[in-house]
Amino acid sequence: DQQVKQNSPSLSVQEGRISILNCDYTNSMFDYFLWYKKYPAEGPTFLISISSIKDKNEDGRFTVFLNKSAKHLSLHIVPSQPGDSAVYFCAAKTGGGNKLTFGTGTQLKVEL
Amino acid sequence: DGGITQSPKYLFRKEGQNVTLSCEQNLNHDAMYWYRQDPGQGLRLIYYSQIVNDFQKGDIAEGYSVSREKKESFPLTVTSAQKNPTAFYLCASSIFGEQNFGPGTRLTVT
Repeated sequence: DQQVKQNSPSLSVQEGRISILNCDYTNSMFDYFLWYKKYPAEGPTFLISISSIKDKNEDGRFTVFLNKSAKHLSLHIVPSQPGDSAVYFCAAKTGGGNKLTFGTGTQLKVEL
Repeated sequence: DGGITQSPKYLFRKEGQNVTLSCEQNLNHDAMYWYRQDPGQGLRLIYYSQIVNDFQKGDIAEGYSVSREKKESFPLTVTSAQKNPTAFYLCASSIFGEQNFGPGTRLTVT
């Protein structure tokens, strides 16, 4: 039972344009969401997070949007850069616990 | 420099052998985690520990064992009972919310 889903395994975007990565979840108890970026053969690095009491969080080129009624969140990267090419994982957690549930990831390729 | 260390980066073993993967953190985090990554399957939780001398099974604990004798260390043993041990293994730690990951260990069993 995949509680966090990233339905697009890959995405290709031109440099300078916007990248939009999507994530859907089924567990209504999730109240904190995170995005991680991962390069091959390395550990994921934290990018940005959002609490369920907000609908938007911005950090530089990265913005995460949360639509609780649709159980959907998205990560916007603008402008996209070649160094953004990586796998992006969406993750979610409930309450005060630390356990994260991860999606299957989306491979982003930013082309020159 | 605070962080998480996993060693070795690459590990090769013969089928039927147990192997232990190391994970050490100097972030003073209480909670630690082990995940495996397989192509197209994201990160799947194997075991986690919220505090020293305590740990819980994750979603795919069969064929694995852990110990948490020290706050800084959370070694994972891949036993011969694990049917598909070849994977990329990631260790993480957290104090609240966001988890910090180590660089990973690629285990190949032939």
